[in-house]
Amino acid sequence: DADVTQTPRNRITKTGKRIMLECSQTKGHDRMYWYRQDPGLGLRLIYYSFDVKDINKGEISDGYSVSRQAQAKFSLSLESAIPNQTALYFCATSDQGAYGYTFGSGTRLTVV
Amino acid sequence: KNEVEQSPQNLTAQEGEFITINCSYSVGISALHWLQQHPGGGIVSLFMLSSGKKKHGRLIATINIQEKHSSLHITASHPRDSAVYICAVYSGNTPLVFGKGTRLSVIA
Repeated sequence: DADVTQTPRNRITKTGKRIMLECSQTKGHDRMYWYRQDPGLGLRLIYYSFDVKDINKGEISDGYSVSRQAQAKFSLSLESAIPNQTALYFCATSDQGAYGYTFGSGTRLTVV
Repeated sequence: KNEVEQSPQNLTAQEGEFITINCSYSVGISALHWLQQHPGGGIVSLFMLSSGKKKHGRLIATINIQEKHSSLHITASHPRDSAVYICAVYSGNTPLVFGKGTRLSVIA
């Protein structure tokens, strides 16, 4: 099993629908992150969590929300999906500081 | 916010060539990562370094903290090295900040 598992791997949804992307990890890391990747823009931070009780907005949090259900689980929700949220989404985990960054395989989301 | 610039954005090389990808950043850091993303999306960490030089197989990463600059070198490049290479920096107690990546194609 992968250290960081994202579900689903691919999803097509309609404008206005609510969608949840899930991430679970077996690394035992406290820190978890959600990024989106767009062609030419690189990875941009949506939300991050340094422990179960900690949630922080990243640079592009508008239109997204998150839930840290346990140390191992961090979910990203799009309350009302719009086409410009079409992107590749990555979950990542890390240890304290900059150590042990591990990425999930990504979720390709298309909003039509 | 730290600004991370990579160059070149795209690079095409012949098999066997020596390749250099550059990364510069605007604010002092405590560590820098080089990551690799193959077609299909998966991202893996190649190196984390805070000073000097690290080597793993045909890959070499260097960093100059004073000049706020790092380079990733690939010796004897091979088509399987074709990927996007991403630089990311860490400072303070904040998440990584990423460059936009360098797309490398190695032609046989």
